[in-house]
Amino acid sequence: DAGVTQSPTHLIKTRGQQVTLRCSPKSGHDTVSWYQQALGQGPQFIFQYYEEEERQRGNFPDRFSGHQFPNYSSELNVNALLLGDSALYLCASSGFQNTGELFFGEGSRLTVL
Amino acid sequence: AQSVTQLGSHVSVSEGALVLLRCNYSSSVPPYLFWYVQYPNQGLQLLLKYTTGATLVKGINGFEAEFKKSETSFHLTKPSAHMSDAAEYFCAVSVYTGGFKTIFGAGTRLFVKA
Repeated sequence: DAGVTQSPTHLIKTRGQQVTLRCSPKSGHDTVSWYQQALGQGPQFIFQYYEEEERQRGNFPDRFSGHQFPNYSSELNVNALLLGDSALYLCASSGFQNTGELFFGEGSRLTVL
Repeated sequence: AQSVTQLGSHVSVSEGALVLLRCNYSSSVPPYLFWYVQYPNQGLQLLLKYTTGATLVKGINGFEAEFKKSETSFHLTKPSAHMSDAAEYFCAVSVYTGGFKTIFGAGTRLFVKA
């Protein structure tokens, strides 16, 4: 049973560029949440996708957008990258009614130069 | 809106000593509470969870936590620390707002001395 998988694991971009991160949820899960974890910080909620729609959103600008596909996989897109976007981006999957218990991937580490 | 406060960004204990990591939460509705552990360069792994029922919850690797509604706390304990317990620990609260939204604390890094 595959867990949550994320790609790429590491990437380096320059300011102003755009990035797309990908996530495949754990088998049987239909909900994907994205978190940003800056160095030494706790994960910050970006948004959550269910039934191919953004259901909830944290305090992140519109430069952060996402998508969920019919197979429940998801993408996180960040436009006009800033130095402050450097972080570990974590994808977590869950069942929509499953008390909020999350299963995490190992993350995509983004460095913006 | 819900929030989580973890008291102490760093905790250091000797091997074999009691581990106590503190967590207080704020929520306008009954919350579900979680502790997750993160090892370097990895994602988060669930240690234990409180949803309903017994307020003393047991998790993996000998950890347990007690939900105290009157104190809005959910502190994590382990009777005897092991070197392998050294990691970052996150307390989290989840509430239903048209879908479950899980918010994390800032984390506590646990150091275990030989």
